[in-house]
Amino acid sequence: QKEVEQNSGPLSVPEGAIASLNCTYSDRGSQSFFWYRQYSGKSPELIMFIYSNGDKEDGRFTAQLNKASQYVSLLIRDSQPSDSATYLCAVNPPGSSASKIIFGSGTRLSIRP
Amino acid sequence: ETGVTQTPRHLVMGMTNKKSLKCEQHLGHNAMYWYKQSAKKPLELMFVYNFKEQTENNSVPSRFSPECPNSSHLFLHLHTLQPEDSALYLCASSQPGGTASTNEKLFFGSGTQLSVL
Repeated sequence: QKEVEQNSGPLSVPEGAIASLNCTYSDRGSQSFFWYRQYSGKSPELIMFIYSNGDKEDGRFTAQLNKASQYVSLLIRDSQPSDSATYLCAVNPPGSSASKIIFGSGTRLSIRP
Repeated sequence: ETGVTQTPRHLVMGMTNKKSLKCEQHLGHNAMYWYKQSAKKPLELMFVYNFKEQTENNSVPSRFSPECPNSSHLFLHLHTLQPEDSALYLCASSQPGGTASTNEKLFFGSGTQLSVL
């Protein structure tokens, strides 16, 4: 059983719409959750992290965490072609350092003009 | 530029070759990592170094040999690789010992795209 699951996509969203990316995880005790963006041929870049239930907003990005349902999502408002990338969900088990972070396989997002 | 530099960007090698990947971080971090990224698979952690000491080896075959001479430099020595080792190899760093919001953030290099023929 995968520990962090994401739909591989591609997810195609029209420019200007809201892109919604979802991730589920298996370790109920996980406490730290991350979203990394990876452009083709480039390195993953941390764009959001969230620790508490609820929403966390940063510009056009909103991370949503629901620990009871064990899912974390990323919303991108006013999607731009430059948002086209693979988005990696990452989860850290409780009390762990970065070396224990578990990554999902990523969701490929395509924003069509 | 993320502050983590990897060379070379691309590498093609035969199964009998010996080569090395290099990583350098300019962020003042004390933890460095090697990850393997294969198509449609999650990032796989290979090795972790904290303050130059290896603290994690995720059952990586001995044909991969890491070296960390100081907190800023990390190498991955490769020998007698197999075609299935072809992948993107990513180096990352982080700053352990701080709060959860700092020590869990990974900063990645651009990676070395490795092809084994």
